[in-house]
Amino acid sequence: NAGVTQTPKFQVLKTGQSMTLQCAQDMNHEYMSWYRQDPGMGLRLIHYSVGAGITDQGEVPNGYNVSRSTTEDFPLRLLSAAPSQTSVYFCASKTKAGGGYEQYFGPGTRLTVT
Amino acid sequence: DAKTTQPTSMDCAEGRAANLPCNHSTISGNEYVYWYRQIHSQGPQYIIHGLKNNETNEMASLIITEDRKSSTLILPHATLRDTAVYYCIPGDYKLSFGAGTTVTVRA
Repeated sequence: NAGVTQTPKFQVLKTGQSMTLQCAQDMNHEYMSWYRQDPGMGLRLIHYSVGAGITDQGEVPNGYNVSRSTTEDFPLRLLSAAPSQTSVYFCASKTKAGGGYEQYFGPGTRLTVT
Repeated sequence: DAKTTQPTSMDCAEGRAANLPCNHSTISGNEYVYWYRQIHSQGPQYIIHGLKNNETNEMASLIITEDRKSSTLILPHATLRDTAVYYCIPGDYKLSFGAGTTVTVRA
């Protein structure tokens, strides 16, 4: 199992550009989510999905779109990049375990917007 | 969502037990207590979770008070590789990560 994979690892964008961060998991998990982590801070939930075709907003959804056409993939789209979106982005998938959930994270994408 | 209070940082000697406290006095009855850690800049790693019983796995033990208002994560024999930020997160479906406790294990 590759687990949760993310591409690219690093990205630099200019203000106003758009791009898609890719996330894939091979564990057949229904639940996937995107977080951002600013320097010295905890993770904040951007969007999540409870299954193919179903997405919902987290704490900080503005400026981001998601879709979930397959169980495996959950891309995050930045519509018009802004310097405030400079952050590390983590994708995660989750499975039920022991009455609760175990969440597995990808290695992250480090995004800089100039 | 329940609010948590964790120490900002703590040191631990290599080979000794590390006891990480967490206060979650507003936890609701159906929320589990999750612990994750983040080593350097990597993605967070799941450690353990529990509802009201104490739990143990190969990584750690979790002690939850009877009133569920606080918990303690125990790393039984800390190693240098356990140096990380540890997050205590009450929740169920959606988890919110706070600032956590920066644990430094010293040789």
